[in-house]
Amino acid sequence: DTEVTQTPKHLVMGMTNKKSLKCEQHMGHRAMYWYKQKAKKPPELMFVYSYEKLSINESVPSRFSPECPNSSLLNLHLHALQPEDSALYLCASSQDNQGAQDREQYFGPGTRLTVT
Amino acid sequence: GDSVTQMEGPVTLSEEAFLTINCTYTATGYPSLFWYVQYPGEGLQLLLKATKADDKGSNKGFEATYRKETTSFHLEKGSVQVSDSAVYFCALSGGGSNYKLTFGKGTLLTVNP
Repeated sequence: DTEVTQTPKHLVMGMTNKKSLKCEQHMGHRAMYWYKQKAKKPPELMFVYSYEKLSINESVPSRFSPECPNSSLLNLHLHALQPEDSALYLCASSQDNQGAQDREQYFGPGTRLTVT
Repeated sequence: GDSVTQMEGPVTLSEEAFLTINCTYTATGYPSLFWYVQYPGEGLQLLLKATKADDKGSNKGFEATYRKETTSFHLEKGSVQVSDSAVYFCALSGGGSNYKLTFGKGTLLTVNP
């Protein structure tokens, strides 16, 4: 099973709202990722968690706050977003293994976020 | 730093035509190489991978060979179907403690019946 699930599928929020995106995997992967994808562009890395600890933050604004409650779950808390933050938010996971065989990332279906 | 260059398209083919999407890369060391596919309104799916020189990744009729001498990983399929219409991303992972995937810009493929 190589499934990563994300909820909700679609989200519309105002600039003063607080909302959260959720991601779950049951593949035993110990690295999890948040990406942002704008239309007709490749995904852009936002955050990397390794063994539930934040290991990479790609200079993401503080209105995005990641959380990794356990090895299977990853959240992205959203607050005071701007209209330009509207995008597809993708979660991914991979084996936390430096071996050459295990570097592939498995992506969820994404949350389509619209900020009004 | 690492980079991936792929033909941007769009590419439009008739059903049963031969497909090639070119991908070249720049990386230090020995990266792993991937092709991902994104169907409309969906996330990315891993299509195939190769982890060392001369490896051939294959899946669903698609193939790509890791060519270190030409730093290339071109995607091919002998006979495309309408259902192959999607965006294809070439990507690499440099390995080590760096978990980042470096993506190409993506190629939109449209297959007409």
